[in-house]
Amino acid sequence: KQEVTQIPAALSVPEGENLVLNCSFTDSAIYNLQWFRQDPGKGLTSLLLIQSSQREQTSGRLNASLDKSSGRSTLYIAASQPGDSATYLCAVTSGYALNFGKGTSLLVTP
Amino acid sequence: DAGVIQSPRHEVTEMGQEVTLRCKPISGHDYLFWYRQTMMRGLELLIYFNNNVPIDDSGMPEDRFSAKMPNASFSTLKIQPSEPRDSAVYFCASTLRVESQPQHFGDGTRLSIL
Repeated sequence: KQEVTQIPAALSVPEGENLVLNCSFTDSAIYNLQWFRQDPGKGLTSLLLIQSSQREQTSGRLNASLDKSSGRSTLYIAASQPGDSATYLCAVTSGYALNFGKGTSLLVTP
Repeated sequence: DAGVIQSPRHEVTEMGQEVTLRCKPISGHDYLFWYRQTMMRGLELLIYFNNNVPIDDSGMPEDRFSAKMPNASFSTLKIQPSEPRDSAVYFCASTLRVESQPQHFGDGTRLSIL
């Protein structure tokens, strides 16, 4: 069974800092890996999707990398802003379902 | 474009009552998923459909849970009878292609069983 782990569980940083969120998974047989953002009381918003054949994807201040052989992914957020405060979830597609980590709760303070 | 639409947003009901959650996927998406989110277990897949056909319901916790997709634009998740431990946020998601496209999530239904 695919296990997805996210470290750290919570993170607080001052505005402007660059930061890295980590995700690891146990089974490298994946179609893709997705990073989501979840705001309180809201659904999940897809941020980036990395295909299993890709190494990284970028969108604005976000950069996600994937090392499938080692079962690791990182989400890099540049120049963090208070509006980035949310829970960030990593999920891998194994078979046809997404297997989620428990998320990293990010707080960016002004 | 309209996203995935779920209703109701909130549901509070008493133990033993029947609960029906509804989902309208994004038009043209062939896959529909029902997930449940709790503090203890995080997000878990309950069931998914491909072209309106249930493919994998191994995540459905008990026979009290059932899901249907009568057509490409509508799905329901039913709990009968409901129990307090069913309290959670239930999400519906859809995608055009699982292997290469992101899943799009609705805002969820927050269910409280008293």
